[in-house]
Amino acid sequence: SYVLTQPPSVSVAPGQTARITCGGNNIGSKSVHWYQQKPGQAPVLVVYDDSDRPSGIPERFSGSNSGNTATLTISRVEAGDEADYYCQVWDSSRVVFGGGTKLTVL
Amino acid sequence: EVQLVESGGGLVQPGRSLRLSCTASGFTFGDYAMSWVRQAPGKGLEWVGFIRSKAYGGTTEYAASVKGRFTISRDDSKSIAYLQMNSLKTEDTAVYYCTRYAAAGHFDYWGQGTLVTVSS
Repeated sequence: SYVLTQPPSVSVAPGQTARITCGGNNIGSKSVHWYQQKPGQAPVLVVYDDSDRPSGIPERFSGSNSGNTATLTISRVEAGDEADYYCQVWDSSRVVFGGGTKLTVL
Repeated sequence: EVQLVESGGGLVQPGRSLRLSCTASGFTFGDYAMSWVRQAPGKGLEWVGFIRSKAYGGTTEYAASVKGRFTISRDDSKSIAYLQMNSLKTEDTAVYYCTRYAAAGHFDYWGQGTLVTVSS
């Protein structure tokens, strides 16, 4: 079965850029979606189809996908961005989530 | 405004059954596939299963961990999706989220979740 690998944690200072990776075999051939989940809340879609943003999501959130790695980039990080982030793809009619990355804003 | 509201969670003994409901509003329910995603306490997201819209046959797909025990169905006349869970195990303890599946392969709306606790 297809596996998505994310780093357990990423730390960044306010105002800096956070990059959260999602690794998978030839993931560049798939569409990757990203969700943000704050404590006690349901996940929220922040990026879909590798790099598109739903309405209401700040331009600070962007995505890229190539080769074996997809990346969620958060520019000018704010305290409110502290959350867990999950990547997701479809593979063989199954949904696969990455293990999640906890973003800590120092 | 799109809303998804789950109900039916609670405490259940191992081996028993439980049915969750997801009541949708704010969109044409019958036009969309719906999915269930769960999250065990302190753990990550796990996809449970998916039901296509009637236009695509209303067929279902399931994660290997629940296949044969869980069944997803839908009542388009009531805008409700169901998750029937049989032969529950302690490892099924989780918050269960109802989600709307967007054609591009992602989940664009999520409910607030309902907690299912399987324990004796």
